[in-house]
Formats: sequence, structure tokens, C-alpha cells
Amino acid sequence: NAGVMQNPRHLVRRRGQEARLRCSPMKGHSHVYWYRQLPEEGLKFMVYLQKENIIDESGMPKERFSAEFPKEGPSILRIQQVVRGDSAAYFCASSPQGRDEKLFFGSGTQLSVL
Amino acid sequence: GEDVEQSLFLSVREGDSSVINCTYTDSSSTYLYWYKQEPGAGLQLLTYIFSNMDMKQDQRLTVLLNKKDKHLSLRIADTQTGDSAIYFCAESMTGGFKTIFGAGTRLFVKA
Repeated sequence: NAGVMQNPRHLVRRRGQEARLRCSPMKGHSHVYWYRQLPEEGLKFMVYLQKENIIDESGMPKERFSAEFPKEGPSILRIQQVVRGDSAAYFCASSPQGRDEKLFFGSGTQLSVL
Repeated sequence: GEDVEQSLFLSVREGDSSVINCTYTDSSSTYLYWYKQEPGAGLQLLTYIFSNMDMKQDQRLTVLLNKKDKHLSLRIADTQTGDSAIYFCAESMTGGFKTIFGAGTRLFVKA
């Protein structure tokens, strides 16, 4: 039973480019969460999605960031026109039911913006 | 508001006990969690406690919850070098979808 799979592990982009981060939840999990981790900081909640629905995006920056979790395929976190401040580790987590639940994390994508 | 605070560093000798502390602000928390992050890896759930419990023990791990003071601690008995990692305290709110994490405590274990 594969865990939460994220790819790529490392992503390098130049300022102004787009970054696409992918997350496949654990088998049987239909709830996906994205978190961002900056150096020496905890994980900051970004967005919570179920299949084809964004449930809570209160942690997403208003511009340039978007997320989706289509009926088929992985969840995608998309960052347009990246800036140096977007450099961070982005973690995806999944859970079976959503509420008050233990989260299973992927290994993260380290985004570096040059 | 939602806030979880932890000290950033802890250093112990191998074989000693480690105690990592955490304070949280939201009294409506349902579950409180301890996650472990090893270098280059995602977070792994270590243990959790339901908010109506005071203590939970799981092998070398003991979680203590003081709900009045909103204080959570994780005790690791007989700490080993393999326990060196970052430990995150987290809370989830009643009926909520978000889990709120602290900044993490970096545990150094000296041989």
C-alpha cells in the first residue's frame, strides 16, 4: 500500500516561471491537504480539497497560487510567476475522511526559485 | 485564535529522557498530535491524544495533557540517537478540517 506520493522531490524554477507540484494521496483517501514549510518554521496550512472540490483555501495566497484535485489523477498545486519568496518545502497530506483526523504526509517537494 | 508554540531546540544525552513541551491557544481542540520529521522526509504521526484525556502512553512515548493550562508534552524515555529529528506539536479543532502545527522542536541526541 503506497503512501502519499509527491513529485518532483526537487523543483528549480527561475523567477517568473510556473511551478506545478503533484500529489497522489494514499489509496482509499479522498481528502488532500497542502502545507508549506519555510526554514525554521512550522507547517502552514494552505488548502484542503476533496475530489473536484476546494473545501478550505484560507491559507492560500490570494494571487498566483491555485490548487485542484480532479476526479482522475493527482492533486496539483500550481504557482504562477514564482518569486524567490516562494522557495520552500511543500508538503501534501491525505486522510480517509477529513474531519479531526490523523494526516499521512508525503516526502514533500522542495521548490527553489533562482 | 489558532496558535501552537514550542521551543525550537532540545539537546539530551543518549539514554536520558527527553521532554518536549507545547502550548496551544484554542480550547476547542479535539485532538492533539505529535509528529516526527526526519531530514528530507515528510512528517510521520507518532502519537495523539483526545482532548478529554490526561495521559497516553505508547511504549517509550508518554503524552501528558493539561487542558487547564493548554499545555501538551511528549516524553521520550531512553532516548536514542535515532530519535534525533524535529518534533511537531499539532492540534485540530472540533469539526474542523485544518490541523495547526507548531514550529517544531529540533531534538539533538548526543552519544
